[in-house]
Amino acid sequence: GAVVSQHPSWVICKSGTSVKIECRSLDFQATTMFWYRQFPKQSLMLMATSNEGSKATYEQGVEKDKFLINHASLTLSTLTVTSAHPEDSSFYICSAGLRIGGSNQPQHFGDGTRLSIL
Amino acid sequence: GESVGLHLPTLSVQEGDNSIINCAYSNSASDYFIWYKQESGKGPQFIIDIRSNMDKRQGQRVTVLLNKTVKHLSLQIAATQPGDSAVYFCAENIQGGSEKLVFGKGTKLTVNP
Repeated sequence: GAVVSQHPSWVICKSGTSVKIECRSLDFQATTMFWYRQFPKQSLMLMATSNEGSKATYEQGVEKDKFLINHASLTLSTLTVTSAHPEDSSFYICSAGLRIGGSNQPQHFGDGTRLSIL
Repeated sequence: GESVGLHLPTLSVQEGDNSIINCAYSNSASDYFIWYKQESGKGPQFIIDIRSNMDKRQGQRVTVLLNKTVKHLSLQIAATQPGDSAVYFCAENIQGGSEKLVFGKGTKLTVNP
């Protein structure tokens, strides 16, 4: 099955640090990659949609200068949380999507990154 | 529909029983639906999907039912096992649109031995 690798799985750092999270689709070339944020006991909240070679599309209320997304290839997208503060502490999850013959296929998710800002 | 709210609905069942998890969606234009299972500290794992040209689809121990008239989706798990304990999310998508998914609130399933 489709495998998405997300790294690191866990980060603890000081306030003001920038943190980069990587998301790789290991065995397929993703049409699109997505970044989500999840608070405890809540559902996934889409932050942005990322396509290779183009600027990410951010959801309303998500600061693009705070959450920088780079999508360098069909298998790699990165999310950088710039100048992170304690309120940025959360569980960040990426997913990779694929469209076959014009038909959307299920997104496959990484195992998330637990970010804790002290 | 859009996921809001602070508390997950919960379902508690005995091992071996069948479980039914329900989901109401809000967008009548949605035509592709996916169920995901999320274990603690992990990302969502694909379980089963269904497109709007079907009203039932079966997998291994799981069945998804789609009622477009009332915009309702359900996931049935047969002979529930302790390993099925997790949070289950439904997600909806519009095939002719973007690949974006809209997630439901989720249901926490606890299987008692």
